[in-house]
Amino acid sequence: SQQGEEDPQALSIQEGENATMNCSYKTSINNLQWYRQNSGRGLVHLILIRSNEREKHSGRLRVTLDTSKKSSSLLITASRAADTASYFCATALPGGGSNYKLTFGKGTLLTVNP
Amino acid sequence: DTAVSQTPKYLVTQMGNDKSIKCEQNLGHDTMYWYKQDSKKFLKIMFSYNNKELIINETVPNRFSPKSPDKAHLNLHINSLELGDSAVYFCASSQAGGNTEAFFGQGTRLTVV
Repeated sequence: SQQGEEDPQALSIQEGENATMNCSYKTSINNLQWYRQNSGRGLVHLILIRSNEREKHSGRLRVTLDTSKKSSSLLITASRAADTASYFCATALPGGGSNYKLTFGKGTLLTVNP
Repeated sequence: DTAVSQTPKYLVTQMGNDKSIKCEQNLGHDTMYWYKQDSKKFLKIMFSYNNKELIINETVPNRFSPKSPDKAHLNLHINSLELGDSAVYFCASSQAGGNTEAFFGQGTRLTVV
């Protein structure tokens, strides 16, 4: 079954607006990560938040983590057309020994209209 | 220099054929992965290797055989290709056994006809 689920599945906004995407997960995690995937390209890491952190910022990105609700949100402020992409959350789950496996949700397709 | 490179970028082949996808990372990472992304963009982990040792095998059919000749390379060989194998396959690498950010290759779009 799916570990991470993003919400909404698709989001369309105007340039300059803020975009918020949510991620819910099922089991305890070591960390949660957000990735971006432009059409036809590989995934690019955006930000990592550890289970003992509640909020993290990177440029126009703000990520929150609520381990009691098993949820995270990604906020992109002052969006640009270049932010158009699919955004995925990923959770690092124990994979045996000291290894972890990164399990992805289905993603949110963000479209920023100029 | 590309951090994680995989070849080929596109692969079109007939059912029943055997094909390989190669992956190399120059980041000095210990851990490498193969992921499969289907037409609905769902990314599913297939394999994980740590220092050439298989760590994770996510119930992938044994027609798929990964091979790691050294920790910088993780190749994927697929036997007897089926239509359902059509997807984009991504190689990735990370440090610390997968507990940090992962770096992805550009993907190999496999089409089985």
